Amino acid sequence: EAGVTQFPSHSVIEKGQTVTLRCDPISGHDNLYWYRRVMGKEIKFLLHFVKESKQDESGMPNNRFLAERTGGTYSTLKVQPAELEDSGVYFCASSPQQGVTGNTIYFGEGSWLTVV
Amino acid sequence: AQSVTQLGSHVSVSEGALVLLRCNYSSSVPPYLFWYVQYPNQGLQLLLKYTTGATLVKGINGFEAEFKKSETSFHLTKPSAHMSDAAEYFCAVSPSGTYKYIFGTGTRLKVLA
Repeated sequence: EAGVTQFPSHSVIEKGQTVTLRCDPISGHDNLYWYRRVMGKEIKFLLHFVKESKQDESGMPNNRFLAERTGGTYSTLKVQPAELEDSGVYFCASSPQQGVTGNTIYFGEGSWLTVV
Repeated sequence: AQSVTQLGSHVSVSEGALVLLRCNYSSSVPPYLFWYVQYPNQGLQLLLKYTTGATLVKGINGFEAEFKKSETSFHLTKPSAHMSDAAEYFCAVSPSGTYKYIFGTGTRLKVLA
């Protein structure tokens, strides 16, 4: 069974440009999450989808970040315009319905973003 | 507010020596506790978790952790380090089992030959 897959694995863009990160969750997982790790800091929650609906976006840093999950399958996270402080690793994760596996969420390999 | 503290951003041990990675948390509600590992160029992989029941939890690759409520700790141990254990380890807490994990800053483990 395929795990959570993320694309691109690495991206280098200039300040002011736009980047779109994609995440494909594990097949059948209704819950999809985005987390971020800024260099040297802890991994922080960004938002949570249940199917195509945003359940909680309290961790989104500002309105330069836009997450979508059309059709309840894959998700995209767009950063526009990118700033230097957006550099870091963006992790996507997924989980089945609540309670099925005791709240374990499964992470992807992350998308490394460098803004120069 | 909940938080997780991992003592030591870098830990070095000799091959065959005990591995001890420390994690303390603060939570106003019963937490679920996790250890994740990130090997070079790979994603976050679940090592073990504590939800309820037995406080000593065994995970993959010979790791285990003990939940000590009185000390608000969930330290990760392995009796004998192997070169393949070199990775970054993250402790996380999920207050009342919610999806909003709170992570520590990570501990990078180096295993010396």
